[in-house]
Amino acid sequence: DAGVIQSPRHEVTEMGQEVTLRCKPISGHDYLFWYRQTMMRGLELLIYFNNNVPIDDSGMPEDRFSAKMPNASFSTLKIQPSEPRDSAVYFCASTLGSTNEKLFFGSGTQLSVL
Amino acid sequence: GENVEQHPSTLSVQEGDSAVIKCTYSDSASNYFPWYKQELGKRPQLIIDIRSNVGEKKDQRIAVTLNKTAKHFSLHITETQPEDSAVYFCAVNQFYFGTGTSLTVIP
Repeated sequence: DAGVIQSPRHEVTEMGQEVTLRCKPISGHDYLFWYRQTMMRGLELLIYFNNNVPIDDSGMPEDRFSAKMPNASFSTLKIQPSEPRDSAVYFCASTLGSTNEKLFFGSGTQLSVL
Repeated sequence: GENVEQHPSTLSVQEGDSAVIKCTYSDSASNYFPWYKQELGKRPQLIIDIRSNVGEKKDQRIAVTLNKTAKHFSLHITETQPEDSAVYFCAVNQFYFGTGTSLTVIP
């Protein structure tokens, strides 16, 4: 298996633009997580899905952020409109069976909002 | 919510020495405690984990201990090598991460 695949690897955009980050979990994994990593705040859980259903989105910073999982092999995290403080590395991760199993992280998307 | 504290934030050791990183948590119902290693520019990778029904777990040079009463768990790396240099994160369940420890192993 190729592991968790994220795209793009790098994204540079201007303030106010819409940004869409994409993730393909490991085939068969039923849990998918989105995290954000910054120097100031470390790794933060934004939202997680189980069987394509959002379970906990309490970490989503504000209404500008939204996430979807239309099927078992694809998820998106959208920021609209983007702001400079959204600049961070966004990781997607997946696991099988429960939230308390080994997490497999994607390579991350480095987002820079100018 | 859960409050995870990790110490120290930076740690330098001589090659061959041991390194210990400690995390505390607040929710006594928490039951899964993984540790991740993240090299510069790379993704976090699980190196060891422990569940609440176990007090200690070892995997070669790496061990984790859990004290449920005191609500803390620790990562122990013995016989450190330069390739152990990285940032290490503790986590509680998969939801709350510590702030990270930057470990440098000096050859």
